[in-house]
Amino acid sequence: DVKVTQSSRYLVKRTGEKVFLECVQDMDHENMFWYRQDPGLGLRLIYFSYDVKMKEKGDIPEGYSVSREKKERFSLILESASTNQTSMYLCASSSTPRGGELFFGEGSRLTVL
Amino acid sequence: KNEVEQSPQNLTAQEGEFITINCSYSVGISALHWLQQHPGGGIVSLFMLSSGKKKHGRLIATINIQEKHSSLHITASHPRDSAVYICAVGSNYQLIWGAGTKLIIKP
Repeated sequence: DVKVTQSSRYLVKRTGEKVFLECVQDMDHENMFWYRQDPGLGLRLIYFSYDVKMKEKGDIPEGYSVSREKKERFSLILESASTNQTSMYLCASSSTPRGGELFFGEGSRLTVL
Repeated sequence: KNEVEQSPQNLTAQEGEFITINCSYSVGISALHWLQQHPGGGIVSLFMLSSGKKKHGRLIATINIQEKHSSLHITASHPRDSAVYICAVGSNYQLIWGAGTKLIIKP
């Protein structure tokens, strides 16, 4: 069964802490995405990657960075967490960036105090 | 005006009813996705289509490219179908997301 696995389902961090969210997929997909989901705002794209070591900014990249050192792993980094980054973070992968079926992880709910 | 609009925003129905959720878009697309999200859960892809109609179990998705409109139908609805249904369109190497339709099926 194909799978996208996110490292943590729930995290609680303090303002100013560095936060790592990891995502691993086992489908050999080139394309991986990080979204955040907030009530009333739907899904918003933070960053995506179409190849190892490649990354592109999405709609809301401010305050975030990403790392893709291996094809199967895409990490989202909050260098200095702030309360407005409290959200649900969803990782996804697809075989093509716009036409391929999307596979999502279970999500990581981050609370920044 | 949003590029992808879903209707209705919220829908409550009785078990067994035929359900229709609509998605209209204003951009040129390569594909349209329907996805499902249960409360507290991850998102699951239901359909990806670029023309015509697809069926999977009690779910049917249709798309009319000329009218820039897609519908998701659920036949013989069941309480376990209660979820948020999300439409997304692929355009110019990006996905544009609808706001979702929250469906509640009462037993």
